[in-house]
Amino acid sequence: KAGVTQTPRYLIKTRGQQVTLSCSPISGHRSVSWYQQTPGQGLQFLFEYFSETQRNKGNFPGRFSGRQFSNSRSEMNVSTLELGDSALYLCASSLRGDRGYEQYFGPGTRLTVT
Amino acid sequence: SQQGEEDPQALSIQEGENATMNCSYKTSINNLQWYRQNSGRGLVHLILIRSNEREKHSGRLRVTLDTSKKSSSLLITASRAADTASYFCATDAGTSGSRLTFGEGTQLTVNP
Repeated sequence: KAGVTQTPRYLIKTRGQQVTLSCSPISGHRSVSWYQQTPGQGLQFLFEYFSETQRNKGNFPGRFSGRQFSNSRSEMNVSTLELGDSALYLCASSLRGDRGYEQYFGPGTRLTVT
Repeated sequence: SQQGEEDPQALSIQEGENATMNCSYKTSINNLQWYRQNSGRGLVHLILIRSNEREKHSGRLRVTLDTSKKSSSLLITASRAADTASYFCATDAGTSGSRLTFGEGTQLTVNP
C-alpha cells in the first residue's frame, strides 16, 4: 500500500497570505490528523477528521481550519499567515483513529512565512 | 503542552551498542507509540504498546510500559549508523478519536 502523501512538500508564503495543504491518507484509512512541528513548541496537535467530521481539535486559533472529503483526503488551511506559522506540518492517517490503532505520518509540508 | 518527556535529550553511542530512551507522561493513557524522525522529515511509526501490555518487541526494538510509574522505555539493540535520528514517544489519552501528545524527543547519534 502507498503511504500517506502530502502536497506540496515545500511552500514559501508572505505574511497575510493564506495557504492550503493537502493530505492523502493510506487507502482504507478513515481518520486523518494534522500536527504542527516547530523547534520551540515541538509537535502539537491541530485537529482530527473522521468520516468528513472534525472529531478533535487542538488549541490553535481559528485561522487554522481543515476539512475532509468523502474519499478521506484532507486539506488544512491557514489564513492571514504570521511569521510564527513557519513550521513542518504533518498529516497522519489511521484506520479508525480510535485507541489501539497506529497513526502513520506523511513526509510533511515545510511552510516558510516571510 | 507536552505530556511526555523523553530522557535523555541526546544520546551518542558507538555502532553495535544498545541505546535506551525513556519517556514519562502525566495522565492515564490508552496506548503509547514510538516514532523515529530523520532530519526534520516525516515521522516513522516504530511500535505501539497498549495500556494493558507491559512489553513488546519488533526486530531490534523492545518497548516496555509501566503504567504505575507512567513511563515507557525504548531499547534499540545492536545500533547501526542508520539508527541516527530523533525518537519521540506519543501518548493517546482521548476518550474518542485520536489526539497524540508528543514528548520533546531524544536525539540519538550512532557513530560508525
